[in-house]
Amino acid sequence: GAVVSQHPSRVICKSGTSVKIECRSLDFQATTMFWYRQFPKQSLMLMATSNEGSKATYEQGVEKDKFLINHASLTLSTLTVTSAHPEDSSFYICSAGGNTGELFFGEGSRLTVL
Amino acid sequence: AQTVTQSQPEMSVQEAETVTLSCTYDTSESNYYLFWYKQPPSRQMILVIRQEAYKQQNATENRFSVNFQKAAKSFSLKISDSQLGDTAMYFCAFRENTGNQFYFGTGTSLTVIP
Repeated sequence: GAVVSQHPSRVICKSGTSVKIECRSLDFQATTMFWYRQFPKQSLMLMATSNEGSKATYEQGVEKDKFLINHASLTLSTLTVTSAHPEDSSFYICSAGGNTGELFFGEGSRLTVL
Repeated sequence: AQTVTQSQPEMSVQEAETVTLSCTYDTSESNYYLFWYKQPPSRQMILVIRQEAYKQQNATENRFSVNFQKAAKSFSLKISDSQLGDTAMYFCAFRENTGNQFYFGTGTSLTVIP
């Protein structure tokens, strides 16, 4: 099946700094990618839909200035958490749709803000 | 909006036994996709099985099968001959035929007991 790779898998940063997470589709082109946030023992919460070559579409309540999404190519989307605070600590997951209808997920990135 | 409900937050099953995870959904669409995803402790979401709503035959993938009841809007997952590696969170998901939006249930934490 299609492969989506996410990097880094773990990141620890100081409060106030910015962190970039990359999501790559390795063997297919993804015009659309999705970014989710997951709290412990909870479901995935869709943050935004990343569209190649255009602005991302953010879900209600998600701060677009804090969570910057760039989808510069058909195989790469990035999520930058700007001026991170401890409450931004979470598990972030990206995904991309395959041509058979399902979503393929990256490995996830555990962000810890000190 | 579509909703997906998983009414069993936690379940356990003895190794080699069979377990069924429940999922119901609400939609006014007639054609759509349904999925079960597995999220093991490693945290990467893995597709277990998918079902197209227009297909009456229940999908099967080795030890995994579904009971798709379209009129009842029910989509349960049966795991036969449970193995220790099946221990994970299981998420039921819905996707419209058109568009990319996925809707996830709240998940069921399954523990396989040796």
